[in-house]
Amino acid sequence: DAKTTQPPSMDCAEGRAANLPCNHSTISGNEYVYWYRQIHSQGPQYIIHGLKNNETNEMASLIITEDRKSSTLILPHATLRDTAVYYCIVRSPGRYNTDKLIFGTGTRLQVFP
Amino acid sequence: DTGVSQNPRHKITKRGQNVTFRCDPISEHNRLYWYRQTLGQGPEFLTYFQNEAQLEKSRLLSDRFSAERPKGSFSTLEIQRTEQGDSAMYLCASSLTAGDSGNTIYFGEGSWLTVV
Repeated sequence: DAKTTQPPSMDCAEGRAANLPCNHSTISGNEYVYWYRQIHSQGPQYIIHGLKNNETNEMASLIITEDRKSSTLILPHATLRDTAVYYCIVRSPGRYNTDKLIFGTGTRLQVFP
Repeated sequence: DTGVSQNPRHKITKRGQNVTFRCDPISEHNRLYWYRQTLGQGPEFLTYFQNEAQLEKSRLLSDRFSAERPKGSFSTLEIQRTEQGDSAMYLCASSLTAGDSGNTIYFGEGSWLTVV
């Protein structure tokens, strides 16, 4: 089962920041938080991941609370092409683990003009 | 394009027929995953290979399903005696062996199966 809880849907105006929350209260110390998104009828696309520190890349920023029980994905200037389902996933990496991703149902983000 | 490649992208088959999907992972990626996704749901894990060895199978992978990765490169997923409930998108993904910090798993565009 997925170890994360996300709101089923959110709206955001084009050009504004989209803040997508995720709860992962049972996360373990060595588990990472990963974010993927899936645009309609396409395969999931990797966005960003983090362990403890906040992370930023060209797509988004990831803010992880100090207790690591929740996180927020931030798309700083949402565009219509950011409309997608966003998945927050807790992952246990490691050379000897299966290391698979377990998806929940995600948050459907609708960006409107 | 050097991403994960899946073929065919769409397949319509009659109930009871066999179908096979192919996945070509990113070059040098030794881990390969298969997922299934139905409408409105997130992808569900089916099976995983490390090189040519199939190391984990989900209980979702019934005995009508078989996956292979004979030379540790491309993989095939075969569904025998298809049923309407097999209609879904089948996703393939690949990655390098994860270190302690993990390695990103990259997905293909998926293969849509419709069983009529």
